[in-house]
Amino acid sequence: AQSVSQHNHHVILSEAASLELGCNYSYGGTVNLFWYVQYPGQHLQLLLKYFSGDPLVKGIKGFEAEFIKSKFSFNLRKPSVQWSDTAEYFCAVKLTSNTGKLIFGQGTTLQVKP
Amino acid sequence: KAGVTQTPRYLIKTRGQQVTLSCSPISGHRSVSWYQQTPGQGLQFLFEYFSETQRNKGNFPGRFSGRQFSNSRSEMNVSTLELGDSALYLCASSGGLAGYEQYFGPGTRLTVT
Repeated sequence: AQSVSQHNHHVILSEAASLELGCNYSYGGTVNLFWYVQYPGQHLQLLLKYFSGDPLVKGIKGFEAEFIKSKFSFNLRKPSVQWSDTAEYFCAVKLTSNTGKLIFGQGTTLQVKP
Repeated sequence: KAGVTQTPRYLIKTRGQQVTLSCSPISGHRSVSWYQQTPGQGLQFLFEYFSETQRNKGNFPGRFSGRQFSNSRSEMNVSTLELGDSALYLCASSGGLAGYEQYFGPGTRLTVT
């Protein structure tokens, strides 16, 4: 069965530190890839997405992610985090068959200390 | 454009009861998906509706069902509630085609006592 794995469950960083959250998926076919963020008390918001083309995608709030097909990975990065980035981050995969089904990773809680 | 709306936002039910949750997608979106979010299992796909037809279904028991109306609004129903059904139920809508991302609503927090 297809699955998504996020390596870090809980990350604590100081402001201005760099961030990289790992995401790997298991599916041999073509996929669409997403990172969603859930700020405390708010609903899931799309950070960025990859459908095709340039494997380095840029999202909102200075986030970017790189799709490495050979490694089945889609890691999220940000050069310098802020306290306001404290949230839970979810990696998700959608098979490009005719379906809207998203398969989510378990999520990574990011805590940024001021 | 208004976002995805879900009603009610909070719900408390007792075991054995049934519950109906509602979701109104973004205007023009034809696909509605439902997810269950719990601390232990994370976000799990329940089902997806597109143009009033169930297009995909997750691994949940038959107590979980849904439907979609001609205006794309969707409802999900859980019958014979169990304590383990306590969760945040999220609805997401999209344009429906393969290349469209999903937009999530705020969720309905269901507590089963």
